[in-house]
Amino acid sequence: DIQMTQSPSSLSASVGDRVTITCRASQSISSYLNWYQQKPGKAPKLLIYAASSLQSGVPSRFSGSGSGTDFTLTISSLQPEDFATYYCQQSYSTLRAFGPGTKVDIK
Amino acid sequence: EVQLVESGGGLVKPGGSLRLSCAASGFTFSSYSMNWVRQAPGKGLEWVSSISSSSSYIYYADSVKGRFTISRDNAKNSLYLQMNSLRAEDTAVYYCARDTVAGNSDYWGQGTLVTVSS
Repeated sequence: DIQMTQSPSSLSASVGDRVTITCRASQSISSYLNWYQQKPGKAPKLLIYAASSLQSGVPSRFSGSGSGTDFTLTISSLQPEDFATYYCQQSYSTLRAFGPGTKVDIK
Repeated sequence: EVQLVESGGGLVKPGGSLRLSCAASGFTFSSYSMNWVRQAPGKGLEWVSSISSSSSYIYYADSVKGRFTISRDNAKNSLYLQMNSLRAEDTAVYYCARDTVAGNSDYWGQGTLVTVSS
């Protein structure tokens, strides 16, 4: 089975900061990598699919990159509504593992 | 508007059974694969199971294989998760989610809480 890891597990940042979250797969998954945002008590929201494609309606300050085993999610200028937990998920395998999540909170 | 509404959660004793439902509307349900994803209290997301549009392909996480059964009724626009031999570690909010051809989940329900406790 493909295992997903994320770093850091949490970070503190200020409004306007550039934030980068890393996701790593235990084997190559090409570009089959998705990113989700989840706020407390809410369902996850799709941000990025196929490693770098922005989901419709998602602000352009979110971007994704990477292929193979190493991927990044970047928020170019953190906004108050971006404080949340972010998860990566691989869709290369039929067993769609998620990463453990990265919590972004206010510094 | 795409809507996914889960139901059927509740309190059940260890070893018991529960059937979750997900009612879909606002899209052609029979054209999409569907997923169940769960989240234990204070923990991360865990993919549970997937079913293809015609039920031809079904997959389970190792943690639920042999105990859970995913199914769908395209005539009723509904997705189901039959959960048997429930354990304390199955306690979670269970979400249904629509799958896209790109392999991501673009719409999610609000979730239903399953608590396994004596």
